Amino acid sequence: AQKVTQAQTEISVVEKEDVTLDCVYETRDTTYYLFWYKQPPSGELVFLIRRNSFDEQNEISGRYSWNFQKSTSSFNFTITASQVVDSAVYFCALSQAGTASKLTFGTGTRLQVTL
Amino acid sequence: NAGVTQTPKFQVLKTGQSMTLQCAQDMNHNSMYWYRQDPGMGLRLIYYSASEGTTDKGEVPNGYNVSRLNKREFSLRLESAAPSQTSVYFCASRGTGMFGNTIYFGEGSWLTVV
Repeated sequence: AQKVTQAQTEISVVEKEDVTLDCVYETRDTTYYLFWYKQPPSGELVFLIRRNSFDEQNEISGRYSWNFQKSTSSFNFTITASQVVDSAVYFCALSQAGTASKLTFGTGTRLQVTL
Repeated sequence: NAGVTQTPKFQVLKTGQSMTLQCAQDMNHNSMYWYRQDPGMGLRLIYYSASEGTTDKGEVPNGYNVSRLNKREFSLRLESAAPSQTSVYFCASRGTGMFGNTIYFGEGSWLTVV
């Protein structure tokens, strides 16, 4: 069975602070995919990143960065110099490899960025 | 979220009524999914379809039926709506490839059962 844990229910930061969203996963598969999605107040789910289990390289995209560590089964997401527009619920998700594989979601972390 | 279209976006039902949520994708994806989102519970899989003509139960299938009409369309039906089915419903699709591709979501359908 697969499981994703996002222990942080809500985080509040002041604009320009850095913030890290934690994600811990459980799986018995050796090949799998990890994802982060953003859900802004408008409600849609926006894909942010996909990482496969073979690739432990950290990834940076603008103010966003992701730290994947298989040794601790974690896939943490850091926003540098946060902005009000970053306010959203962020979901971490896990999928087996394979075309029909399902996504298992964490319960999400609500990030509130204030001025 | 271009590519996955859901209708309707909002719906209010009375207990016992039936309705169908429609989903279509234009990305030629094989796999399609229906999820529901409830406060504090993330997204939970209702049903999925690995390919045209096949459907399988997910984590919370009770009270729902699905139809994979063709490669593009995957509908979710509530035969006799209950207040516990008040939720936000998301359709998603996933492309082919040995290691799987990114899953894209529709914009969601807000359903209230009174």
